[in-house]
Amino acid sequence: AQSVTQLDSQVPVFEEAPVELRCNYSSSVSVYLFWYVQYPNQGLQLLLKYLSGSTLVKGINGFEAEFNKSQTSFHLRKPSVHISDTAEYFCAVSDRDDKIIFGKGTRLHILP
Amino acid sequence: DAGVIQSPRHEVTEMGQEVTLRCKPISGHDYLFWYRQTMMRGLELLIYFNNNVPIDDSGMPEDRFSAKMPNASFSTLKIQPSEPRDSAVYFCASSFGTGLIGELFFGEGSRLTVL
Repeated sequence: AQSVTQLDSQVPVFEEAPVELRCNYSSSVSVYLFWYVQYPNQGLQLLLKYLSGSTLVKGINGFEAEFNKSQTSFHLRKPSVHISDTAEYFCAVSDRDDKIIFGKGTRLHILP
Repeated sequence: DAGVIQSPRHEVTEMGQEVTLRCKPISGHDYLFWYRQTMMRGLELLIYFNNNVPIDDSGMPEDRFSAKMPNASFSTLKIQPSEPRDSAVYFCASSFGTGLIGELFFGEGSRLTVL
């Protein structure tokens, strides 16, 4: 069975500093990986996804993620965060099934 | 174009009452998902439909929960009888194609409080 682990429940970071949100997955087959963002009182929105090809994936709002098969990781990064990036970020995995399984989320707090 | 529409946005009810949550997916989408979000368990997949047919309901907590999709533009999630531990935000999402290719589009959620 597939699963997703987000290692940090909360990450504080100063404005304009870089950030990395960690995600590890487990699956017995090839996987497809996603990062979603949830702003306060809203539903989730897709940030980026990895289906195949280049292991470095670029998404919206300056975010990118790198798929590392040997480490079963898909960490999300941004070189310089802005106050508007304050949100909860969810890593998700899907195998050849139709289901997308989400991690428990990481709250990103931007400090002034 | 309208996104996924959920109603009600907020519901407060007493234990034992029936609760019905509604969802209108994006027109043309053939997959519909119901998720539940709590602080303790995060985002849990309850059930999903493909072309109005339930495909996997293994995430439905117990017999008190039921979901239907009578047509391509409407789905309901019903809890009867409701219990305080059902308090959560319930999200509906739709997609065109499977999660392998399609992007999930989420509604704004229905926040349920059972007293």
